[in-house]
Amino acid sequence: SQQGEEDPQALSIQEGENATMNCSYKTSINNLQWYRQNSGRGLVHLILIRSNEREKHSGRLRVTLDTSKKSSSLLITASRAADTASYFCATVHTGFQKLVFGTGTRLLVSP
Amino acid sequence: ETGVTQTPRHLVMGMTNKKSLKCEQHLGHNAMYWYKQSAKKPLELMFVYNFKEQTENNSVPSRFSPECPNSSHLFLHLHTLQPEDSALYLCASSHPGSGVNYNEQFFGPGTRLTVL
Repeated sequence: SQQGEEDPQALSIQEGENATMNCSYKTSINNLQWYRQNSGRGLVHLILIRSNEREKHSGRLRVTLDTSKKSSSLLITASRAADTASYFCATVHTGFQKLVFGTGTRLLVSP
Repeated sequence: ETGVTQTPRHLVMGMTNKKSLKCEQHLGHNAMYWYKQSAKKPLELMFVYNFKEQTENNSVPSRFSPECPNSSHLFLHLHTLQPEDSALYLCASSHPGSGVNYNEQFFGPGTRLTVL
């Protein structure tokens, strides 16, 4: 299976703290994307990182990619209660033209 | 909002009913997707359309029948569903891309389907 796995499955922090979520995958990729989903709603694209990139930033988000370890991390700095959501990594594997979503991390940020 | 709308937002149907889900995107994209999201399972890709042509059918049972009349509209026709088909059905669209340039997808809010 190409499906990635996020770690941890659930994360509970206080406002102002940083949140780190990890994604591991099994076969080589062309790019990796992170999405956010509020409860029962659609997914929202956050950031895309290509296989030849190692780090990208977008506002309070920082994504790293280590293709040698087949892993990526999403860091949310100075978290807010509004960041409470599920976060998914999705991979585009070499030779395939589709996104494969992981199982997600549920983040709860308490005021 | 993401520019992708889905109707209805909620649907309850019996196993013998026929219903359709509708998706419309206002983003000028040429690729559209149907996904199924069940509790405690990863998002599952069901169908992909590129320039109105179906390019992916991820072994979906024939009781789900997609239709893409143009690049802006996507339907999912449902008939004789099973209770295990209850899930959130998500539509997405994107610009076609490949390899490292495979593009991000824009999702609709989903249709929460309950099959009794």
